[in-house]
Amino acid sequence: GEDVEQSLFLSVREGDSSVINCTYTDSSSTYLYWYKQEPGAGLQLLTYIFSNMDMKQDQRLTVLLNKKDKHLSLRIADTQTGDSAIYFCAESIIFGKGTRLHILP
Amino acid sequence: DAGVTQSPTHLIKTRGQQVTLRCSPKSGHDTVSWYQQALGQGPQFIFQYYEEEERQRGNFPDRFSGHQFPNYSSELNVNALLLGDSALYLCASSAGYLQDEQFFGPGTRLTVL
Repeated sequence: GEDVEQSLFLSVREGDSSVINCTYTDSSSTYLYWYKQEPGAGLQLLTYIFSNMDMKQDQRLTVLLNKKDKHLSLRIADTQTGDSAIYFCAESIIFGKGTRLHILP
Repeated sequence: DAGVTQSPTHLIKTRGQQVTLRCSPKSGHDTVSWYQQALGQGPQFIFQYYEEEERQRGNFPDRFSGHQFPNYSSELNVNALLLGDSALYLCASSAGYLQDEQFFGPGTRLTVL
């Protein structure tokens, strides 16, 4: 069946770049999404990429899509303490388990 | 412009009871989806409502049912609660059926004792 997989944990020093990776199985979706969830909160849509694009940049966020390998990544430049959260990759209604981003001082 | 709102924020029930959760979509949105997010997991799709009908359903038992009203707001009902139903229930709205871009509410935290 359809599945989205992510690594569960990432630790990054403040000011460095964070790269969160995701793989998916269903290639029929028009868009792929990244959401952010802070403790005790709902999901905030961060960015998305159209399936026929390779890259999308939005301020500190860069999304890369390798459709052949069904691999999606989210790069956060100049990572700040406020970026500490769980990041979910999603393909339509299918979500990964989330990657917890921990920021080291 | 109000975003997606959900009520109540928190709820405690006991096994076997029934619960109703409510959601109002973002202004201009007519499609509502419900998700269950267990602790440490990603959201699991329960079902989606459009034009007051259930359009898609995930792998959830019939104990989970819903409704959409003419003003596009929605309810999620869960009967015969089990301990495993304890989770954060998220509502998401979108503009139009089959539109993927969803906006999420803050969720209702359900605890079943």
